Amino acid sequence: DVKVTQSSRYLVKRTGEKVFLECVQDMDHENMFWYRQDPGLGLRLIYFSYDVKMKEKGDIPEGYSVSREKKERFSLILESASTNQTSMYLCASSPGLQEDGYTFGSGTRLTVV
Amino acid sequence: GESVGLHLPTLSVQEGDNSIINCAYSNSASDYFIWYKQESGKGPQFIIDIRSNMDKRQGQRVTVLLNKTVKHLSLQIAATQPGDSAVYFCAETLYNFNKFYFGSGTKLNVKP
Repeated sequence: DVKVTQSSRYLVKRTGEKVFLECVQDMDHENMFWYRQDPGLGLRLIYFSYDVKMKEKGDIPEGYSVSREKKERFSLILESASTNQTSMYLCASSPGLQEDGYTFGSGTRLTVV
Repeated sequence: GESVGLHLPTLSVQEGDNSIINCAYSNSASDYFIWYKQESGKGPQFIIDIRSNMDKRQGQRVTVLLNKTVKHLSLQIAATQPGDSAVYFCAETLYNFNKFYFGSGTKLNVKP
């Protein structure tokens, strides 16, 4: 089974901190994605990557950056955490074929205080 | 496009009944759709998909219906079980685009 692993299930950080959310997939997938999930708003795409060292902005990239130095790892960075970034963050990967959909990680619930 | 709202719609059904979960999509050019199930504390999981050249596709206990005329997608779950309790999302994409757009989801509560 494809596994997408997010390093933390729960995180609590202070306003202004730099926060790293890590995601690793073990099936050699080309594509990786970061979403945030908020009640009533569904999943919103933050950033995605189609290849190593490649990144593209999603729909809500402000306040975030990403890093993909290795194919299996896609990191989401909050440069200076703010309370409005309190959310559930979901990482996903896909092999690049449309009909395979995404495989999601279990999510990281981040609280910024 | 996606169906966005401030409230998560909730559907409550009795165990053993059939469930129908609906989704409206906004992009008439979308040609591939997926339904995901998200249980509490977990990431979304693939349930069933459908291409735009089909109106209906069946899986095990689940059926997806696509009405392109009104841009509507539905998920039917037969003989709903307590383990079906979850939030269900539809997702749409354009051919060869590989970037999905998600609906806001519907919460399904199954009463024993």
